[in-house]
Amino acid sequence: ETGVTQTPRHLVMGMTNKKSLKCEQHLGHNAMYWYKQSAKKPLELMFVYSLEERVENNSVPSRFSPECPNSSHLFLHLHTLQPEDSALYLCASSQDGGGPVSTFGSGTRLTVV
Amino acid sequence: AQSVTQLDSQVPVFEEAPVELRCNYSSSVSVYLFWYVQYPNQGLQLLLKYLSGSTLVKGINGFEAEFNKSQTSFHLRKPSVHISDTAEYFCAVSETGTASKLTFGTGTRLQVTL
Repeated sequence: ETGVTQTPRHLVMGMTNKKSLKCEQHLGHNAMYWYKQSAKKPLELMFVYSLEERVENNSVPSRFSPECPNSSHLFLHLHTLQPEDSALYLCASSQDGGGPVSTFGSGTRLTVV
Repeated sequence: AQSVTQLDSQVPVFEEAPVELRCNYSSSVSVYLFWYVQYPNQGLQLLLKYLSGSTLVKGINGFEAEFNKSQTSFHLRKPSVHISDTAEYFCAVSETGTASKLTFGTGTRLQVTL
């Protein structure tokens, strides 16, 4: 399998649930990102990991918790979300120092009820 | 900090007609520029990029874009569109010399009809 794979593709969760989004890249990249895509708004960068260390957290609420156990995997742990958190969550990867081009996954469509 | 403006939220066009999707950016430092396309229920696919060199860049599916530093623009063009080009198009920038942290515009919906 190649590219950036995100699972699940769709997720419906209640406000009291705990769930996790998974991202896996097969490109040998060393940086990974979470973006949020809401209707009528630009894509928002949420988190950046470079060499498995978090280098950026763009004022994201603590109910979103990222985890990067190795350079190929990235998780986004979700708990006590709000309906306004419903969005498409996109994972991306790139190679620092090897060209600033990000490859995106297909996203997880999250609905909070 | 950078910002990206895509003034046209929707662009309707007939098949085989030319199209231009506009993108303007603002930044106090040098930037890289990108156009991504998003088809329904899919992630973003890179169309083309400007990193350095020639200001006219060619991408996939017959698209091209021209970097104009004085006008801080990076408009996307295609001389003849197809129905299959119907999608959302996003312009994005990132600072040079950094990890690829992209700042996106709000997107332009290209609707191609017969």
